[in-house]
Amino acid sequence: DIQMTQSPSSLSASVGDRVTITCRASQSISSFLNWYQQKPGKAPKLLIHAASTLQSGVPSRFSGSGSGTEFTLTISSLQPEDFGSYYCQQSYDTLMYTFGQGTKLEIK
Amino acid sequence: QVQLVQSGAEVRKPGSSVKVSCKTSGGTFGSYGLNWVRQAPGQGLEWMGGIIPVIGTANYAQSFQGRVTITADESSDTVYMELSSLRSEDTAVYYCARSTGPLGFDYWGQGTLVSVSS
Repeated sequence: DIQMTQSPSSLSASVGDRVTITCRASQSISSFLNWYQQKPGKAPKLLIHAASTLQSGVPSRFSGSGSGTEFTLTISSLQPEDFGSYYCQQSYDTLMYTFGQGTKLEIK
Repeated sequence: QVQLVQSGAEVRKPGSSVKVSCKTSGGTFGSYGLNWVRQAPGQGLEWMGGIIPVIGTANYAQSFQGRVTITADESSDTVYMELSSLRSEDTAVYYCARSTGPLGFDYWGQGTLVSVSS
């Protein structure tokens, strides 16, 4: 199985800050990397697919980059509604999807 | 509008089984992948397995092999996930989610809480 490792596991940032979350794959996955946001008690929401393509309706302060084994999710100017948990997911192997362990983002 | 609506909360005893349903609407049922993802209390997301109804064969995560069965009923646009030999560690919210190959899971059900306790 392809293992996905996220860092940090948690972070606290202020409104207006630039926030970066990193995801590493145990082998090259090209650009088959997706990012999700999850609020407490809610289902995850797909933010970005194919490493850098924003889903319709997702604010442009969110961006994704990377390829191969290293990827980043960036929030350019943190907003209060961005709190929650963020997960990366590889979709290189569609017979065996795997998620990162998650990053919990708190607003200071 | 695509919707995935899951069955309600379940309580089971250790050693028993549970079957959760996910009814889809608003899309072409057979041609998308339908997956099950679970989330234990305070934990992350764990992919359990998935099926493309038009193909019919399910794939499962290694950690659930032999205990989980995912099936699809094209006549009712419904996918099912059955988990057997339940233990307390299986207490979790179980989500169904639609996949479009490598483009991620774009639609999710509301989640079903399964509680396992003696």
